[in-house]
Amino acid sequence: AQSVTQLDSQVPVFEEAPVELRCNYSSSVSVYLFWYVQYPNQGLQLLLKYLSGSTLVKGINGFEAEFNKSQTSFHLRKPSVHISDTAEYFCAVSERQGAQKLVFGQGTRLTINP
Amino acid sequence: DAGVIQSPRHEVTEMGQEVTLRCKPISGHNSLFWYRQTMMRGLELLIYFNNNVPIDDSGMPEDRFSAKMPNASFSTLKIQPSEPRDSAVYFCASSKTSGSRETQYFGPGTRLLVL
Repeated sequence: AQSVTQLDSQVPVFEEAPVELRCNYSSSVSVYLFWYVQYPNQGLQLLLKYLSGSTLVKGINGFEAEFNKSQTSFHLRKPSVHISDTAEYFCAVSERQGAQKLVFGQGTRLTINP
Repeated sequence: DAGVIQSPRHEVTEMGQEVTLRCKPISGHNSLFWYRQTMMRGLELLIYFNNNVPIDDSGMPEDRFSAKMPNASFSTLKIQPSEPRDSAVYFCASSKTSGSRETQYFGPGTRLLVL
């Protein structure tokens, strides 16, 4: 079984500041890794995913994430945030060879202050 | 292209009533997922279908919950009888294929309140 831990439930930052949202996972098998974003009163939208290859993955809206196998982490970063980035961010994993099931973390609420 | 369509967007009902949530996946997608989101438990997968066939329903809370997918363009999640603890946002998602690497596309959700 897999589990995902998002270490911060809330992250407040000022506009144009950098941000890092932390995600650690636990799994006995190889996994794919995902970050989804949920804007208020909307469904989830894929930001980026790590399947294979380069451990640095670039996504939409200027976000990127780095897969670190030894630390079992997949932290999300953005060098300069905007008010429009205010949302909840979810890290998720799925088994490479297993069922098509996403296991989500509890989410991190990112609040951008002007 | 239209995204995943869910109806109703909001539902308020009384305990004991039957509730039916509906989902239309993206055309051409072969996999469909039902999730529930609550403050206490976060996002949980309830059930998913591949090519209209239920593959894993281990997340369905109890016998009061049932899901069907009679064809490739429609699915329902039914709660009978409903209870206050079923209050949550229910999301439907779809993906092109059954691979675990595939992106899932989420609908806007149905916000259910059981009084």
